[in-house]
Amino acid sequence: NAGVTQTPKFQVLKTGQSMTLQCAQDMNHEYMSWYRQDPGMGLRLIHYSVGAGITDQGEVPNGYNVSRSTTEDFPLRLLSAAPSQTSVYFCASSYSSVRNNSPLHFGNGTRLTVT
Amino acid sequence: DAKTTQPTSMDCAEGRAANLPCNHSTISGNEYVYWYRQIHSQGPQYIIHGLKNNETNEMASLIITEDRKSSTLILPHATLRDTAVYYCIVRVKIQGAQKLVFGQGTRLTINP
Repeated sequence: NAGVTQTPKFQVLKTGQSMTLQCAQDMNHEYMSWYRQDPGMGLRLIHYSVGAGITDQGEVPNGYNVSRSTTEDFPLRLLSAAPSQTSVYFCASSYSSVRNNSPLHFGNGTRLTVT
Repeated sequence: DAKTTQPTSMDCAEGRAANLPCNHSTISGNEYVYWYRQIHSQGPQYIIHGLKNNETNEMASLIITEDRKSSTLILPHATLRDTAVYYCIVRVKIQGAQKLVFGQGTRLTINP
């Protein structure tokens, strides 16, 4: 299994541009989520999904959209990038969205810079 | 959400056991304690988790006190590759969300 795969690894955007961060998992995990990590702020939950067709907001959802059309994929869209969205983005998944005895598995991140 | 408190940094000699403490005094009965680590800026790596019994796997051991208000992660024979930031996290489910609240973690440095 490849686990959780994120693409691209690095991205530079200009303010106002749009892009999609890709996340795919091959473990048939029910739950998927996006976090951003900023210096001194730890990891903050952006959006999450408890199954195909179901998404919900986390702590810091503004400026981001998600969709979950398949179990495997959970893309994160930035519609109009802002410098405040410069961050490292991590996708994570777990087998169950109900049981809290189900570890999250993280991808290796996408480093986004918005100028 | 239950919160955790960890020391900001720790040092350990290579080959010795590294013991990382964590306080989670507000933990409730169905909340698991999870440990992750992050090396450089890679994605957080799952280490171990437990509810009330001590746990051991190929990476580490987790000791949880009887009142569940604190725990200790033990890396039995630390190597230089164990240098990382270690996060102790209490995981809860709120309205369908598997919420992991990451604090600042403990920066563990393994010295040769």
